[in-house]
Amino acid sequence: NAGVTQTPKFQVLKTGQSMTLQCAQDMNHEYMSWYRQDPGMGLRLIHYSVGAGITDQGEVPNGYNVSRSTTEDFPLRLLSAAPSQTSVYFCASSTTVHRSWNTGELFFGEGSRLTVL
Amino acid sequence: AQTVTQSQPEMSVQEAETVTLSCTYDTSESDYYLFWYKQPPSRQMILVIRQEAYKQQNATENRFSVNFQKAAKSFSLKISDSQLGDAAMYFCAYRSPYSGGGADGLTFGKGTHLIIQP
Repeated sequence: NAGVTQTPKFQVLKTGQSMTLQCAQDMNHEYMSWYRQDPGMGLRLIHYSVGAGITDQGEVPNGYNVSRSTTEDFPLRLLSAAPSQTSVYFCASSTTVHRSWNTGELFFGEGSRLTVL
Repeated sequence: AQTVTQSQPEMSVQEAETVTLSCTYDTSESDYYLFWYKQPPSRQMILVIRQEAYKQQNATENRFSVNFQKAAKSFSLKISDSQLGDAAMYFCAYRSPYSGGGADGLTFGKGTHLIIQP
């Protein structure tokens, strides 16, 4: 099983450029999310989705856009990159918490390191 | 909103010894999940151990065990017989069982960097 797959793993952008981080999961998980990790800050939730067509903001949504057209895919878009968006980004998925068989565990991709110059 | 606090930015332990990482959290909910994730230099997030709040028994996974004190809102991780491969960042995390308002996701602490001295 591939689990959660993120691409690209590394990316360098110039200020003002746009890009999309791709995330795909093959576990039929309803819940998908994006986190960013910065030194000394832990992981912070950017956006999440509880199913196709449903997205919502997390703790730090500004500057990011998401959509969920299929259960498998949850891309994260940076419309106009800024140096403050230099970070490591993680996609994570799980069954939704209201499922009786949910263990609560989030399954993570390998992360994408983004540098904005 | 829930908060998770890890008060030890860095810990160091001799190989083969025991170390305890601290975590406290704040919540008004009575049911929830707690986790410890390990992040080695490869940056992969690896689940170490999981605790469900309604279970009074402390979770154990081989050399890893937790001390879950629900009333004190404390969830510490004990690593016995520390090995060089245990060197990593360790994150404590909380998850609510209730949907909506961002509550479906994990709330992380800021992490503890664990160093293993040979």
